[in-house]
Amino acid sequence: QQQVKQSPQSLIVQKGGISIINCAYENTAFDYFPWYQQFPGKGPALLIAIRPDVSEKKEGRFTISFNKSAKQFSLHIMDSQPGDSATYFCAPFLGSWGKLQFGAGTQVVVTP
Amino acid sequence: DAGVTQSPTHLIKTRGQQVTLRCSPKSGHDTVSWYQQALGQGPQFIFQYYEEEERQRGNFPDRFSGHQFPNYSSELNVNALLLGDSALYLCASSLGASVYGYTFGSGTRLTVV
Repeated sequence: QQQVKQSPQSLIVQKGGISIINCAYENTAFDYFPWYQQFPGKGPALLIAIRPDVSEKKEGRFTISFNKSAKQFSLHIMDSQPGDSATYFCAPFLGSWGKLQFGAGTQVVVTP
Repeated sequence: DAGVTQSPTHLIKTRGQQVTLRCSPKSGHDTVSWYQQALGQGPQFIFQYYEEEERQRGNFPDRFSGHQFPNYSSELNVNALLLGDSALYLCASSLGASVYGYTFGSGTRLTVV
């Protein structure tokens, strides 16, 4: 049973545009909702994260929107830059001593 | 301040062989988790070590085993390698039970031929 569904699978956006990636989860016990960014040949790196008591969090050009009732959260990348070209993963986390439950990933390509 | 260090970077093994991958956690971290990332997929949790004991385990067969040393470094061992074990193996370190500061290494690319 797939607990985390991420969409779209891939995304092409022009420089300066907005990238939006969605993540739907099933386990209502998740209590930490991060997005990770991964470049080829590297491990995932935390980009931004949110707790379920907050509906939105913004850090620079990156924003998380969280909808607890719909069991969804999304990543918005504003003013997309070629350096943002990477694979993005949602990876909700469950409690203490938990594990990250990764989605399948979204490959984002930002064209000049 | 060194981050998570994994070795080797790349490895090629023959089906049926055994392999050992190594991880040194970030300074100040005492918990190590291992993930397997197949090509084009998200990482999958293998197991987690704390105080030299396996704390929890994902849905992986017993061919996958690990160890944590007193200096918090860790090894991942895979026996009887299958072609399907070809993947990027990621180590992540953290402090105790907390998810904050969870840090990944760059991984070991294992190819089984």
